[in-house]
Amino acid sequence: GNSVTQMEGPVTLSEEAFLTINCTYTATGYPSLFWYVQYPGEGLQLLLKATKADDKGSNKGFEATYRKETTSFHLEKGSVQVSDSAVYFCALGSVYAGGTSYGKLTFGQGTILTVHP
Amino acid sequence: DAMVIQNPRYQVTQFGKPVTLSCSQTLNHNVMYWYQQKSSQAPKLLFHYYDKDFNNEADTPDNFQSRRPNTSFCFLDIRSPGLGDAAMYLCATSRGTRVNEQFFGPGTRLTVL
Repeated sequence: GNSVTQMEGPVTLSEEAFLTINCTYTATGYPSLFWYVQYPGEGLQLLLKATKADDKGSNKGFEATYRKETTSFHLEKGSVQVSDSAVYFCALGSVYAGGTSYGKLTFGQGTILTVHP
Repeated sequence: DAMVIQNPRYQVTQFGKPVTLSCSQTLNHNVMYWYQQKSSQAPKLLFHYYDKDFNNEADTPDNFQSRRPNTSFCFLDIRSPGLGDAAMYLCATSRGTRVNEQFFGPGTRLTVL
């Protein structure tokens, strides 16, 4: 079955530091890949996505590249801000196989990021 | 703005007292999902509707039920809440396309006393 593994957290950084959160996946076919962010007390917001190999998703200074050869989708940001403090979830979208599998997401365990001034 | 709305944001109920959480969407999406999330863990899918078709996850307890009276609304009913059901409940929608991007509501925080 599908699975997503994220690097263990929590991650604590100083403002303007470089961020990498590792994400690897196991899946059949060619799934879509997502990063979601969850701020305290809120729901999940889509941060970026990639739908095929070598696609790069980017948003708000965050980037991730869909690497099929290494089955990875690592999240990076060159200079983090205090406002980036949140929980980050890597997710994999099931390839449509008919029936009830359609549209389901498999989430990683989440990585808590804290950025200090 | 088109969005996913959940009411209430905070719900307190008593052990064993039925509770209903609601979700509405203005995105006109085919698919609506209910997730349970505990303590910054990954959301756990309880069930989803593709239009009127209900799809229950195999490990969702019978205590949890759902209704979708129309495209815009979906309800989560917890028939007899236990202390272990205290969690954040997230509603999400998707167009049902191949990309399967999901749009989440802000969540309802359920407390069971």
